[in-house]
Amino acid sequence: EAQVTQNPRYLITVTGKKLTVTCSQNMNHEYMSWYRQDPGLGLRQIYYSMNVEVTDKGDVPEGYKVSRKEKRNFPLILESPSPNQTSLYFCASRVGLSEQFFGPGTRLTVL
Amino acid sequence: KQEVTQIPAALSVPEGENLVLNCSFTDSAIYNLQWFRQDPGKGLTSLLLIQSSQREQTSGRLNASLDKSSGRSTLYIAASQPGDSATYLCAGVSGGSNYKLTFGKGTLLTVNP
Repeated sequence: EAQVTQNPRYLITVTGKKLTVTCSQNMNHEYMSWYRQDPGLGLRQIYYSMNVEVTDKGDVPEGYKVSRKEKRNFPLILESPSPNQTSLYFCASRVGLSEQFFGPGTRLTVL
Repeated sequence: KQEVTQIPAALSVPEGENLVLNCSFTDSAIYNLQWFRQDPGKGLTSLLLIQSSQREQTSGRLNASLDKSSGRSTLYIAASQPGDSATYLCAGVSGGSNYKLTFGKGTLLTVNP
């Protein structure tokens, strides 16, 4: 089944404790991106990747890192999480300008 | 910079009614527009994708149109059902260095039995 998977789905952590949210797609898509969704602010792009080893900042990159060592994987790294990073996170992928597919989301709470 | 607006923010209708959700965008140089459905606390389910060269797309009871010249897209839902209750999001891909999907804030639809 063609899909985007994210892990973990739910995470509660404390300020400053490094964490990684994994994202994987099995559709051989070049383009992958991360979004966060917050009430009243909608979905905002954090980082994106056009292909392996090609990543760049989106609209709200502060406090996040990404890497793209393999085409299928695009992990989101929070080196020192803070409470303002409490949010619902989505990974997405597509090929070219085609339909974009989203993962199921990761609900992160930073205490 | 592309901006996407969805009006109304919330809509409540009785079951069986036909309805239209509106989406407007500021940059007419849009490559495509995608409509999503999101249930509370859940992920995004893609409903329809309209490429810039197309005027509309249909899937079952859903029909989406795109008018680049006026900067508008509409999602038409026929014979609404309580199971259609969800937040509907539209998002467009524009040019630039990113080709990112820019989202509206959504319309929360409630279909009452």
